[in-house]
Amino acid sequence: NAGVTQTPKFQVLKTGQSMTLQCAQDMNHNSMYWYRQDPGMGLRLIYYSASEGTTDKGEVPNGYNVSRLNKREFSLRLESAAPSQTSVYFCASSTQPGQTYGYTFGSGTRLTVV
Amino acid sequence: AQSVTQPDIHITVSEGASLELRCNYSYGATPYLFWYVQSPGQGLQLLLKYFSGDTLVQGIKGFEAEFKRSQSSFNLRKPSVHWSDAAEYFCAVGDFGNEKLTFGTGTRLTIIP
Repeated sequence: NAGVTQTPKFQVLKTGQSMTLQCAQDMNHNSMYWYRQDPGMGLRLIYYSASEGTTDKGEVPNGYNVSRLNKREFSLRLESAAPSQTSVYFCASSTQPGQTYGYTFGSGTRLTVV
Repeated sequence: AQSVTQPDIHITVSEGASLELRCNYSYGATPYLFWYVQSPGQGLQLLLKYFSGDTLVQGIKGFEAEFKRSQSSFNLRKPSVHWSDAAEYFCAVGDFGNEKLTFGTGTRLTIIP
């Protein structure tokens, strides 16, 4: 089925470890996003990529880096994980700037940092 | 900066009763407005969207929402809820030329028999 695929679905890290969350979409969308979801805080934008070759910071970028590998793939890297990064991470994509059609979301990665 | 407020953290409704979830936004121009639904352990699914035209928009699963510029609101409604509607609902705002959506904090809906 067409859509946004995130891997892994679950991950436990020790403080200080690093990892990369993978995201791929097969809808030929231009824009891709990484959000984190925390109880009572809704979804907060970490980084986004308006088009292949560009990335920009969102609301909560500290402690994260991203790579727009190609039009399909947008990865999120935690260089040195901290307990404050325990969260559910969602990748999303959209057809074009302007959000006319809204986002398509992946099913999320639940990350626990101990 | 644009912002979204969902004043109700948790709502409980009886199955078959009507539902209204509130959403207020802060934005200078005409916003693009969205409602998403998230079932437990799942990603977010688009219910409906508004960006121009008729202020009453219809979405999937029998939901509708009305844009009221004078009240800066975009409330979600359903005439008769089903047990399967139990989920968390998010309102979001964006604008043309801005790639980023801003989400509200969500409203959790519980359905009782």
